[in-house]
Amino acid sequence: AQSVTQLGSHVSVSEGALVLLRCNYSSSVPPYLFWYVQYPNQGLQLLLKYTSAATLVKGINGFEAEFKKSETSFHLTKPSAHMSDAAEYFCAVNSGGSNYKLTFGKGTLLTVNP
Amino acid sequence: DSGVTQTPKHLITATGQRVTLRCSPRSGDLSVYWYQQSLDQGLQFLIQYYNGEERAKGNILERFSAQQFPDLHSELNLSSLELGDSALYFCASSVVGQGLFFGPGTRLTVL
Repeated sequence: AQSVTQLGSHVSVSEGALVLLRCNYSSSVPPYLFWYVQYPNQGLQLLLKYTSAATLVKGINGFEAEFKKSETSFHLTKPSAHMSDAAEYFCAVNSGGSNYKLTFGKGTLLTVNP
Repeated sequence: DSGVTQTPKHLITATGQRVTLRCSPRSGDLSVYWYQQSLDQGLQFLIQYYNGEERAKGNILERFSAQQFPDLHSELNLSSLELGDSALYFCASSVVGQGLFFGPGTRLTVL
């Protein structure tokens, strides 16, 4: 079985500050890991994914995440927050292959203050 | 725009009723996934179809059913609706190696 824990249901940062959203996973097989973003009243958009290649993954909108097997973590970062980054962020895991039955975390709401 | 379309955008109905949600995957994608998003349960996987056949089942109630048609569009049928079924229902399609692409969702309100 797989699971994802997102630490912090709400993170608030100032514009220009570092964004760090935490995700820890549990998986009995080498995982594929994903970060999705959901803007208000919209669907989920894929930010980035880890599929067992490079451990540092760059995504859209300046976000990146690092896969750390020893820590079972896949934290999402962005060096400088922008007002437009305010949204809910979801970490997800699956067991790889062609099946994308994802298990999602409960989400982290990011607020960016001017 | 993910290329996944869902209709309707909003649906308001009464308890005990039945509704059908429709999804068209991205052009060329054979897989369709249905997810339910609610405040208390978060994002829950319901069911997956691949080229017309059921491939995986998640936390889908017996009152719910789905199918995928030869043109690859999918329908999620929800019957004997209860207040607790009010949620956002997302459809997604997949590309091998790329992850899931989600549609805009259908917001179901059961009164």
